[in-house]
Amino acid sequence: DADVTQTPRNRITKTGKRIMLECSQTKGHDRMYWYRQDPGLGLRLIYYSFDVKDINKGEISDGYSVSRQAQAKFSLSLESAIPNQTALYFCATSAREYQETQYFGPGTRLLVL
Amino acid sequence: DAKTTQPNSMESNEEEPVHLPCNHSTISGTDYIHWYRQLPSQGPEYVIHGLTSNVNNRMASLAIAEDRKSSTLILHRATLRDAAVYYCIQPSMRFGAGTRLTVKP
Repeated sequence: DADVTQTPRNRITKTGKRIMLECSQTKGHDRMYWYRQDPGLGLRLIYYSFDVKDINKGEISDGYSVSRQAQAKFSLSLESAIPNQTALYFCATSAREYQETQYFGPGTRLLVL
Repeated sequence: DAKTTQPNSMESNEEEPVHLPCNHSTISGTDYIHWYRQLPSQGPEYVIHGLTSNVNNRMASLAIAEDRKSSTLILHRATLRDAAVYYCIQPSMRFGAGTRLTVKP
């Protein structure tokens, strides 16, 4: 079984709709991250969480919100989706130690019409 | 702000070694360099990391310059399955565009 899972894997939605992307991990890691990737570009950090009570904005947090429901679960919400949020979204986890390696989920492909 | 610089793309022939460079001139003395790769339609996966010494694992080798301002990921014998985008990052959680490696049969 995969250590980092994301649901849904693919989603089509309409402009203005609220949508939630979910991430779960079984690695026992404290730290979790949400990234987005646009075609031909690298990953950009949206939000990250170093533990359940610690949430931090990344490079591009506008238009997104997150919830860390438990150590193993980190959700990303688009309150009112817009077409330029069409992208590939990745969740990642890492251990508490500094300089830690990140482990990525398989990604969620989101299309906003 | 921590930043790395990599060539946009590189090509290699199958079975030949590949050297993927990365410049990280702003790296601090205690920052590790991590390398990840992203295969088509997959999430990034860890390849290797290091601080000062050269490092080897089953996937690749990492050569770090003595001044630590650059490093090179070495794939000793490229295979078609190594075609991917390779990222080097400092612990700032910022991924650049990476290097797209094409492996020709």
